[in-house]
Amino acid sequence: SQKIEQNSEALNIQEGKTATLTCNYTNYSPAYLQWYRQDPGRGPVFLLLIRENEKEKRKERLKVTFDTTLKQSLFHITASQPADSATYLCALRSRSTLGRLYFGRGTQLTVWP
Amino acid sequence: EAGVTQFPSHSVIEKGQTVTLRCDPISGHDNLYWYRRVMGKEIKFLLHFVKESKQDESGMPNNRFLAERTGGTYSTLKVQPAELEDSGVYFCASSRGQGAGTGELFFGEGSRLTVL
Repeated sequence: SQKIEQNSEALNIQEGKTATLTCNYTNYSPAYLQWYRQDPGRGPVFLLLIRENEKEKRKERLKVTFDTTLKQSLFHITASQPADSATYLCALRSRSTLGRLYFGRGTQLTVWP
Repeated sequence: EAGVTQFPSHSVIEKGQTVTLRCDPISGHDNLYWYRRVMGKEIKFLLHFVKESKQDESGMPNNRFLAERTGGTYSTLKVQPAELEDSGVYFCASSRGQGAGTGELFFGEGSRLTVL
């Protein structure tokens, strides 16, 4: 069956450290993978997109990697801040189904001072 | 630029009643999507409009759900009659581009539906 798993439901780290979130998928052929941030009571907000032929993307303190052999994406937040505390969602678009995104359940990140 | 707006933000109805959710996408976005998050589960796709046409409605749970996008602007999602398992947060999202779109989705804040 098709699955998208994000490594943990919750991750707690100290301010200034690097947060690393994992997204693993099974039985998908992704065209690309996206990461979203969601705050309580709000809708998801797009952060980064990485295509199947790309290994790494960066945006300010964010970095995402994509390994189609391992079927895994890693999402890093460097120099984390309490304001980075939120739920982070992994979503992929399959080559076989146009348009729709498949989401993981998310990882709730808490950055403490 | 105004974002995606959804109404109502929260609706509480009795089982068997009807509810209509509305979504106004970002102006000029041809692609409009409905997603749903049931408590404890991941966000799941319901359907996709390109302008006024249904591109993909394979995620609609059953025929109690009806989505429309007349004129290719705003969209409504009607649940009739509502059941307990329909409770959750319904998200609308829009994106630019032709066909399926290739980029980011812009999400609304969601409409929380509680069926008692």
